[in-house]
Amino acid sequence: QQQVKQSPQSLIVQKGGIPIINCAYENTAFDYFPWYQQFPGKGPALLIAIRPDVSEKKEGRFTISFNKSAKQFSLHIMDSQPGDSATYFCAASITGGGSNYKLTFGKGTLLTVNP
Amino acid sequence: NAGVMQNPRHLVRRRGQEARLRCSPMKGHSHVYWYRQLPEEGLKFMVYLQKENIIDESGMPKERFSAEFPKEGPSILRIQQVVRGDSAAYFCASSRQLDSGNTIYFGEGSWLTVV
Repeated sequence: QQQVKQSPQSLIVQKGGIPIINCAYENTAFDYFPWYQQFPGKGPALLIAIRPDVSEKKEGRFTISFNKSAKQFSLHIMDSQPGDSATYFCAASITGGGSNYKLTFGKGTLLTVNP
Repeated sequence: NAGVMQNPRHLVRRRGQEARLRCSPMKGHSHVYWYRQLPEEGLKFMVYLQKENIIDESGMPKERFSAEFPKEGPSILRIQQVVRGDSAAYFCASSRQLDSGNTIYFGEGSWLTVV
């Protein structure tokens, strides 16, 4: 059972565009939602994270929007650059009860930003 | 993700051989996690260890896989009698403690190919 569904699988935008990646989750106990960026041959790196008590979080050009009632969250990349080309993963975990290490990942979105 | 050291980065094994993957956590981190990434899939949690203790191995396959984190030295993920389906990227991650920040840092991965 896939608990975090991510879409689209791949995305191509022009430089300066605003790619949007969406994730939906099923487990209402999830209370921590990070996004990871992964370049080919590298490990995933934490990009930005949000908790369900806020509807939006912005760090630099990256913004997470969170809709608790719809059980959805999304990543927006403003003024995208070719260097942003990577695979992006959403994830979710439960921070209570000592299980916050067990991240459930989406399948990833391959983003290509053309110059 | 700088600081979590994994080796080897790439490993080729014939079916039936053993694979040993090593992980040294970031300085000051005492919690180690192993994740597996199958082709075109997100990362999936395998096991959580502290020094000399396996805390949660709920994601580990029942057979052939084992993990340890000895008092001295790196954490080791061991796969006995490898099969083609074990071909994947294996990521180690570490953290200081399971606080609400939930910042888990990933290494660059070990890519196992079974031929």
